[in-house]
Amino acid sequence: DVKVTQSSRYLVKRTGEKVFLECVQDMDHENMFWYRQDPGLGLRLIYFSYDVKMKEKGDIPEGYSVSREKKERFSLILESASTNQTSMYLCASSLGGADYNEQFFGPGTRLTVL
Amino acid sequence: GQNIDQPTEMTATEGAIVQINCTYQTSGFNGLFWYQQHAGEAPTFLSYNVLDGLEEKGRFSSFLSRSKGYSYLLLKELQMKDSASYLCAVMDSNYQLIWGAGTKLIIKP
Repeated sequence: DVKVTQSSRYLVKRTGEKVFLECVQDMDHENMFWYRQDPGLGLRLIYFSYDVKMKEKGDIPEGYSVSREKKERFSLILESASTNQTSMYLCASSLGGADYNEQFFGPGTRLTVL
Repeated sequence: GQNIDQPTEMTATEGAIVQINCTYQTSGFNGLFWYQQHAGEAPTFLSYNVLDGLEEKGRFSSFLSRSKGYSYLLLKELQMKDSASYLCAVMDSNYQLIWGAGTKLIIKP
């Protein structure tokens, strides 16, 4: 079974803090994604990566950065957390290639910024 | 712009059938996905349609009409464990997933 794990289920941070969210997948997937999920809105793509050291901006990259130093690990960084970044953050991975590939999701990190 | 529409919430009775609709307007089309998400959990894959027609998988079926920009997820013999949100997502011409806001399905005994 594909397993996508995220470093924390719940996180509380203060405004201005630097926040790291870690995601690890164990199926040698090429593609990895970071989304945020807010009530009444669909999943919104923050960043994605198709390969090690490669990153692409999604729909809402402002205030975020990412790092992919190893194939299995994709980190999301909030350089200076703000209250409007309070959200559920979901990491996902999928096989490489441009063809249809379902995404496998981690359990999510619910981040609260005070 | 790109848009995925699905009802916010639906209620159905245990043992019954429910149809969850999804309409979309996207730049290009490379398939439509349905995911299930229980409260507080990760979304899990249910189905994928890229050609018109009905795909059946046990109690769940998914239908696609590309000309109408329309899909539905059909759940039969509803069980209490089917209470969840159902997310519709379309893969656009750049192979990016565009997500609907999800339909919360409430099953009553």
